[in-house]
Amino acid sequence: EPEVTQTPSHQVTQMGQEVILRCVPISNHLYFYWYRQILGQKVEFLVSFYNNEISEKSEIFDDQFSVERPDGSNFTLKIRSTKLEDSAMYFCASNRQGSAYEQYFGPGTRLTVT
Amino acid sequence: DQQVKQNSPSLSVQEGRISILNCDYTNSMFDYFLWYKKYPAEGPTFLISISSIKDKNEDGRFTVFLNKSAKHLSLHIVPSQPGDSAVYFCAASGRDNYGQNFVFGPGTRLSVLP
Repeated sequence: EPEVTQTPSHQVTQMGQEVILRCVPISNHLYFYWYRQILGQKVEFLVSFYNNEISEKSEIFDDQFSVERPDGSNFTLKIRSTKLEDSAMYFCASNRQGSAYEQYFGPGTRLTVT
Repeated sequence: DQQVKQNSPSLSVQEGRISILNCDYTNSMFDYFLWYKKYPAEGPTFLISISSIKDKNEDGRFTVFLNKSAKHLSLHIVPSQPGDSAVYFCAASGRDNYGQNFVFGPGTRLSVLP
C-alpha cells in the first residue's frame, strides 16, 4: 500500500540554524500539507500546497517557514532560523481531493532545537 | 481559541465493550469531520469521516454520529479491541473568512483493557 515517507526521523539542530524537513507524498496525490505537534499538545495545521503554490497557511507559518516541491516527488519544509519553540513533531500529509478530505500522514520528523 | 474540543483526555474501556469518544466544535462553518487514530511514534491514520449533510456514517466496527444542532460528534467503536488503544483525534474542515480551515482537537487517549 502506498504511503507517505518523511526523512529524517529525528533532526537535532542548534538555535538559529536552518533545517529542511523532507517528505515524499503518495505519488498520485495532488495536495500536500505540513502539520506540527508540540510535545503534549494538539496537531496544528501549518500549510497546504497545491499546483506548485501555497493554498492555505496558518498564523504559525510565518516568514521563517517555506515549502517547496523541488522535483515532482519531494515536498520540503524549510525553517530558516530555528527557535527553541520550533521543537516539535512535524507531519507531512497528502491527498488527492483537497483539504476537506481524508489525508494520509507520514510518520513524522522529530525536530529538536537546542 | 479551541474550535474543536475533546474534553476527555483519556478513556479506559474493557475489551469487547463499546468505546465512545466525543468531540465538540464551535465553528458553524465546519462542514466535514474526520477521526484519526495515532499510535506512538507514528503519524495520524485516517479512520472515518462524515459530511455535515449526514448524521451517521458506519464503517465496520467504527460509527461516527453527528449532531449539528449541538455541534457535537462522537465515534463509537464496538466491540473494542486491545489494538484500538491509541490517541484519537477529531478534526474538522470548512471555509471561514480566512480560507480553508482544518483543525484538530487535542485528542483522547483510549486504553482498551484485555
